[in-house]
Parts: sequence; C-alpha cells; structure tokens
Amino acid sequence: GESVGLHLPTLSVQEGDNSIINCAYSNSASDYFIWYKQESGKGPQFIIDIRSNMDKRQGQRVTVLLNKTVKHLSLQIAATQPGDSAVYFCAVSAARNRDDKIIFGKGTRLHILP
Amino acid sequence: KAGVTQTPRYLIKTRGQQVTLSCSPISGHRSVSWYQQTPGQGLQFLFEYFSETQRNKGNFPGRFSGRQFSNSRSEMNVSTLELGDSALYLCASSFVGLAGRTSYNEQFFGPGTRLTVL
Repeated sequence: GESVGLHLPTLSVQEGDNSIINCAYSNSASDYFIWYKQESGKGPQFIIDIRSNMDKRQGQRVTVLLNKTVKHLSLQIAATQPGDSAVYFCAVSAARNRDDKIIFGKGTRLHILP
Repeated sequence: KAGVTQTPRYLIKTRGQQVTLSCSPISGHRSVSWYQQTPGQGLQFLFEYFSETQRNKGNFPGRFSGRQFSNSRSEMNVSTLELGDSALYLCASSFVGLAGRTSYNEQFFGPGTRLTVL
C-alpha cells in the first residue's frame, strides 16, 4: 500500500525567509497530491494541489514541486510570515485506484522565528 | 456560508463505552469523510459517505461505523471504546465532481471532536 513520509517533523525559519517542506511517497500509481495547513485547534486547510501531469504549480506565496522519478514533492513558502506557523501535511491519492483513498503524511511543524 | 460543524467538540468516555459523533457539512456538499488524528499515527482516513452510502473505507476495525442522512449530515460511532481510540476525529465535506470523485481541492474540514478514553 501507499506510504507517505515527511523528511522533518519540525522546521524553524526566520520571518521573511523562504521555507521548504519535503514529502516522499511510495506508490508510483499516485497521481494527485495535496498540501494542507493545520493551525492549532483547527482542522486541516487546503493550500495547493498538483496532478501528476505537472511538475510545478504556483499559488499565492506557495509553490509545489513534484518529482515523479524519485517520488518526492515539496512545498515552498516564500517570505514566511508569523501566520504561516502551523503543521503542514502532504497527502496523496490515486485516481486510477477504484477506492480513491487519500493518504496523509505525518506532518511538519513550521516555526516562524521573529 | 457556514463551515463544517462538529459536535460535541470535546468528549470524555471510559473503556468499553460507545460514542457517537456528529458532523454537519457545508450546505450543498454531499460527500462527508471522517478522519482520525493522533500524534503517533497522524491523520488516517476512516470512511467516506456520499448520498447516504459508504463508498470508501479505511483500515479500521468494525467497531468504527458511520452513516449519512438524507440532508447529508453524518454521524460516526465507535463501540467498545479502547484507550487507543483517544484522538481528534475530523469530519470533512466536499463536492463530488462529474466523474464521481471527491473534490479534495474543495474539501473543508471541521474543527474536530477531541475524544479522550479513560
């Protein structure tokens, strides 16, 4: 089955710097990838997604990069702000699979240092 | 537009008891998914309901069950509670696209129910 792992459980970044959160997955059939942000006391919030026919997608201050060769994706947050402090999860899904389940990674806690 | 609401927000039960958690999706959303979140295992998918039918299920024992009503509200039930069932239970609602797939990019989570089993 699919397994999804994050490289670092915590990451500390200076305010204003860029941060990169990495994620690895195991199933080569995975074709849809999502990043979520979870703030304390709240449920996860969708940030950005990418399908396997793309290798890069940009949103507002966020960029997701997908490397299907090594089964790796990353979330880049530009000019981090205090409000970016949260736990970030990657999640993967496989449209070709009939059950279409979504598998989450364990999460990286991002600390923004003043 | 009101968000996903979950009740109760906090619950304390003892081993062997059963519990029912409730989720009201965003108006117009017909898919409701349930997740368990623990520090050790992270976020794990429990099941998904669409049009009152369970159409997807994670790898949880039969003690975990759910249902969906005609107004798309959903409940999940855990019977014979164990200490390891202590967790944050999250509900998420979403549209279902024309191809019948859940629109994860339009999936919204509720704040969760924190269940503590003593």
